Amino acid sequence: IAGITQAPTSQILAAGRRMTLRCTQDMRHNAMYWYRQDLGLGLRLIHYSNTAGTTGKGEVPDGYSVSRANTDDFPLTLASAVPSQTSVYFCASSVTGNTQPQHFGDGTRLSIL
Amino acid sequence: DAKTTQPPSMDCAEGRAANLPCNHSTISGNEYVYWYRQIHSQGPQYIIHGLKNNETNEMASLIITEDRKSSTLILPHATLRDTAVYYCIVRVEASNTGKLIFGQGTTLQVKP
Repeated sequence: IAGITQAPTSQILAAGRRMTLRCTQDMRHNAMYWYRQDLGLGLRLIHYSNTAGTTGKGEVPDGYSVSRANTDDFPLTLASAVPSQTSVYFCASSVTGNTQPQHFGDGTRLSIL
Repeated sequence: DAKTTQPPSMDCAEGRAANLPCNHSTISGNEYVYWYRQIHSQGPQYIIHGLKNNETNEMASLIITEDRKSSTLILPHATLRDTAVYYCIVRVEASNTGKLIFGQGTTLQVKP
């Protein structure tokens, strides 16, 4: 079934550790996004990529990095995790063109202790 | 992007139409209205979007007022599986980041 796959589905991580959240889509969408969702704050954009080889910063990029080596994959890395990065992380993708809807994965629930 | 205002919660009887309102009085001429929903513990799901004209797809209908300052999402025959948080979002076509700004949404409870 076509769509977006995120891994892992959940993770408990010690503060200071490095962690990469994986996101893969098989819809050949050019654009991909990472959001975090926190109670009372809604979804906030972390990083985005309009096409393979390019990335950009969203509204809350600090502490996170991304890469887009190919169309299908858009991993999100926490270089040194902190407790404030405890959140649910959603990856999304869309056809290029800002009127196109975004399709979301089912999220990664990350707890930093 | 323009701000949206939605009621925090609504109830609907199963099998009846659910009408979810959204106010976007500061919407600009080039901003589209999008609706997403999020069922508990899942990712947001796209429902429908429109600019000026009313739109209908297999999931819902979107009615946009003539002055575009408000819209209504209609689920014609709500089922228990439609219980979710519904988000109304306005978004400018030329946005570089593609960022969607999710507000607090409306929690729709479909009751048997």
